[in-house]
Amino acid sequence: SAVISQKPSRDICQRGTSLTIQCQVDSQVTMMFWYRQQPGQSLTLIATANQGSEATYESGFVIDKFPISRPNLTFSTLTVSNMSPEDSSIYLCSVEDLAENTGELFFGEGSRLTVL
Amino acid sequence: QKEVEQDPGPLSVPEGAIVSLNCTYSNSAFQYFMWYRQYSRKGPELLMYTYSSGNKEDGRFTAQVDKSSKYISLFIRDSQPSDSATYLCAMSGAGSQGNLIFGKGTKLSVKP
Repeated sequence: SAVISQKPSRDICQRGTSLTIQCQVDSQVTMMFWYRQQPGQSLTLIATANQGSEATYESGFVIDKFPISRPNLTFSTLTVSNMSPEDSSIYLCSVEDLAENTGELFFGEGSRLTVL
Repeated sequence: QKEVEQDPGPLSVPEGAIVSLNCTYSNSAFQYFMWYRQYSRKGPELLMYTYSSGNKEDGRFTAQVDKSSKYISLFIRDSQPSDSATYLCAMSGAGSQGNLIFGKGTKLSVKP
């Protein structure tokens, strides 16, 4: 299994500001995934971060709002830009269980953002 | 209709009870079915994984998949207070590459 560390674990942010969330994995992985868990809603994939190429965004998510960096095989960042209260959510970093090759995902502890 | 429907609960049971958690789905292309457990203020952790239809048992946990009915279940026997958590069903099709479709989760509370 992979160990995934996220920072910050929580933050309170002001409307209009941006916040960058960091994700560190203890092993090299080709793809890292960013999910959002809004209150009372399903976990939803925001984007897939590939090392050496642009991130791939899911429908409803755009690079201007959620820019992603992937500088190496163990690290990624997700920025939530120009935040509004609707961005209050838990943001989760995840990687696939490559040993099983079944699509199972390991998740970090999440970054809980509250936007005032 | 959402792709995956899951009763959010909350569900409260006494210790030792048998718990049944369920999800229905609409996409017949789903082949991989998972149950995640999420404790408060923690990330989801994989509990059970099933490929296609059938049953899988792991200790007190049993996962069932009925593809003909598009219905999956998780049974917890002899439930314990430590089982108190939110249980998320998740599923994906072949080649989905990290794009799991999740239910909203059922919050379970096991009372001593």
